[in-house]
Amino acid sequence: GENVEQHPSTLSVQEGDSAVIKCTYSDSASNYFPWYKQELGKGPQLIIDIRSNVGEKKDQRIAVTLNKTAKHFSLHITETQPEDSAVYFCAAKGGNNRLAFGKGNQVVVIP
Amino acid sequence: GAGVSQSPSNKVTEKGKDVELRCDPISGHTALYWYRQSLGQGLEFLIYFQGNSAPDKSGLPSDRFSAERTGGSVSTLTIQRTQQEDSAVYLCASSLSRGNPYNSPLHFGNGTRLTVT
Repeated sequence: GENVEQHPSTLSVQEGDSAVIKCTYSDSASNYFPWYKQELGKGPQLIIDIRSNVGEKKDQRIAVTLNKTAKHFSLHITETQPEDSAVYFCAAKGGNNRLAFGKGNQVVVIP
Repeated sequence: GAGVSQSPSNKVTEKGKDVELRCDPISGHTALYWYRQSLGQGLEFLIYFQGNSAPDKSGLPSDRFSAERTGGSVSTLTIQRTQQEDSAVYLCASSLSRGNPYNSPLHFGNGTRLTVT
């Protein structure tokens, strides 16, 4: 099945700087890549997703890029704010139609 | 509108006891999923329901785990003879099913934190 790896596990950034989280996947048949944000005590919430026929997608301060050849995709957060502090999960839908999640990345925005 | 609702939010139980966790999906969502989130780990798929089809139980870790979805809406996850390694946050999610359900965004509840002492 699909295996998703996420790096780094923890990321600290100064408020206003950019944050980048990278994920790799193993199944070349994967065609859907969502990103979820999880705040303390809450369930994950979808923030952006991308399909394999698109290389980049942007929504205000967040963007996702996909490199199918290298089998990796990244989340970019610009002009970070304290409310961006959370755990971010990437996921990939593999050829078995199951959504596989990475282990999460703790982002800390330092005011 | 109302999101996915899970109850209880916290559950402490003694080893060996049975527990039931409840999930109320978003109205109209035909797909329902259970995931387990252990400390520092990602989301581990447990089981998936889609309409009246047979559920995908391939993620259940042992035969102590079972789940039902009555009337295509509310679901309960049951863990029998709980063990300490069952301690985790159990998350439920639902989605509209448009063709391939895994391409429909998942909406998660806030989870049930289970602690087995």
